[in-house]
Amino acid sequence: AQKVTQAQTEISVVEKEDVTLDCVYETRDTTYYLFWYKQPPSGELVFLIRRNSFDEQNEISGRYSWNFQKSTSSFNFTITASQVVDSAVYFCALSEAGGSYIPTFGRGTSLIVHP
Amino acid sequence: EAQVTQNPRYLITVTGKKLTVTCSQNMNHEYMSWYRQDPGLGLRQIYYSMNVEVTDKGDVPEGYKVSRKEKRNFPLILESPSPNQTSLYFCASSFGEGQTRYEQYFGPGTRLTVT
Repeated sequence: AQKVTQAQTEISVVEKEDVTLDCVYETRDTTYYLFWYKQPPSGELVFLIRRNSFDEQNEISGRYSWNFQKSTSSFNFTITASQVVDSAVYFCALSEAGGSYIPTFGRGTSLIVHP
Repeated sequence: EAQVTQNPRYLITVTGKKLTVTCSQNMNHEYMSWYRQDPGLGLRQIYYSMNVEVTDKGDVPEGYKVSRKEKRNFPLILESPSPNQTSLYFCASSFGEGQTRYEQYFGPGTRLTVT
């Protein structure tokens, strides 16, 4: 069975600090997909990134970067030079390619960026 | 504008009074699903549909019904709502083919309170 663990319930930082959100997953499939979503205070869910299990290349998008390590089953998300607008709940999710399309979400990490 | 819409956005109802939350997408997506979000539990999938007239249970289907008579619509029906169904509900859609089926677009959410 698939499982996603986001051990950090809440993180509080001051603007301009770098912050890393951890995501650890479990799956028996060899092909799977990992995601990060952002949920700002307004409540909508915003897709940030999808990573395939066969592509371990790290990704950078502006101040956001993602570190995928199959050896440790982790898919961590780093925000560089955090801003107040980054304050949100961030969810990590996993879908198994051979499964029934049912993605498993972590419980989310609430990031609070203070000015 | 490509989007997933849900109605109503907010609903307060009483135990046992049947209700329907509508979901519509304008992206010609095959795959649609419903989630509920509860504090500390993340998002859990209720039902999903891979195409018209094809639906299947997610992780927490008890107390819910769905139908997919048209590709763009996927209503969520609570025949006899109970207080434990008080939650934030999200509809999502994605393409049904290839890797993009795992990239879900979420609606704005419906906050339901059952008293």
